Amino acid sequence: GQQLNQSPQSMFIQEGEDVSMNCTSSSIFNTWLWYKQDPGEGPVLLIALYKAGELTSNGRLTAQFGITRKDSFLNISASIPSDVGIYFCAGQIIGGSNYKLTFGKGTLLTVNP
Amino acid sequence: DTGVSQNPRHKITKRGQNVTFRCDPISEHNRLYWYRQTLGQGPEFLTYFQNEAQLEKSRLLSDRFSAERPKGSFSTLEIQRTEQGDSAMYLCASSSGGASSEQYFGPGTRLTVT
Repeated sequence: GQQLNQSPQSMFIQEGEDVSMNCTSSSIFNTWLWYKQDPGEGPVLLIALYKAGELTSNGRLTAQFGITRKDSFLNISASIPSDVGIYFCAGQIIGGSNYKLTFGKGTLLTVNP
Repeated sequence: DTGVSQNPRHKITKRGQNVTFRCDPISEHNRLYWYRQTLGQGPEFLTYFQNEAQLEKSRLLSDRFSAERPKGSFSTLEIQRTEQGDSAMYLCASSSGGASSEQYFGPGTRLTVT
């Protein structure tokens, strides 16, 4: 089945630093989405990408849909303490009768103030 | 608050008991999804509804699991004869029926089977 490899598994950074994380797949996806999850809560949608090569920003967050459609990247600039959490990538193949998301294992981000 | 809601937020049950969870999607979203998440993993797809029709079920969904969405609005997920391996966070998500595939998640129901 489809698998998403997300890296790094965890990151420890200082407040103010920039962060990069990525996700690669063995399969092509039509859509890439990035979520953030806090402990005990559901994932919150950050950015959705729909076209290969697309670069989309949401405040300090920027994500890109890889040209091969098998990867995606998320960058966070000027990190702040509330950026702490687990970041998940998710890929989706649109078609047929299913719109399920396939998730990576997450990147745990810790920001030291 | 017009987001996805789930009840209960936490459930502790003894092995062998039946449990039922409820999900209320964002109003007017006709697609509803159930996912399961265990510690250190991303959510895994369980099943999907378009309106009241259950269109896809994962192999993770054993015959002890059943989901319904009787009127195309809220959904329930029932687990019969719970096992310790069922302990997980059960997440519900919804999306609109248009071209957008953005799924919005609820806060989840944390199930602990003792």
